Amino acid sequence: SQQGEEDPQALSIQEGENATMNCSYKTSINNLQWYRQNSGRGLVHLILIRSNEREKHSGRLRVTLDTSKKSSSLLITASRAADTASYFCATAQTGANNLFFGTGTRLTVIP
Amino acid sequence: DVKVTQSSRYLVKRTGEKVFLECVQDMDHENMFWYRQDPGLGLRLIYFSYDVKMKEKGDIPEGYSVSREKKERFSLILESASTNQTSMYLCATRNPQGTAYGYTFGSGTRLTVV
Repeated sequence: SQQGEEDPQALSIQEGENATMNCSYKTSINNLQWYRQNSGRGLVHLILIRSNEREKHSGRLRVTLDTSKKSSSLLITASRAADTASYFCATAQTGANNLFFGTGTRLTVIP
Repeated sequence: DVKVTQSSRYLVKRTGEKVFLECVQDMDHENMFWYRQDPGLGLRLIYFSYDVKMKEKGDIPEGYSVSREKKERFSLILESASTNQTSMYLCATRNPQGTAYGYTFGSGTRLTVV
């Protein structure tokens, strides 16, 4: 499969805690992106990290990329109930013009 | 902000019907995509288009076709709907400068074929 794989499949935390999701992929990439999907809705682009970057921040989001291990992580700090959603990684693979999406991590933040 | 509009949120069709799923974007983007999303399988690319009247097969094109007569509109067609095409269908668009930018998705159409 060309898809990335997220880990864990599901995560449940208390409000205020940090949430970490991981993504592994198999091929060489140009960039890796994270998306969020609220239940029954479309995906929303959160953050993009290029293959020559190791870490990127956006608000409460922190993304790391380790191309040697072909893995990425998304950290959401000080989680809120409104962060409850599914989170997907997507890879822009070298030589391909499309994104390849993983199967997602379902995050539940308990108030 | 780019807006991607899918004409129906929920759709119920009968087996054998011809089904049209419409997607319209308002930012003059050249690249448009159709995905289907199923539990445990993530998003799978059905078809994509880089320009008017241009189309390319994705990973799972069987049973589908597309139409791109105008830049802003990308239609997905199920020629003869079957129950295994029950799914969430997502349309997306992308800045024409390639994969260095994120996709903008529509809200999705949940199709049920009975």
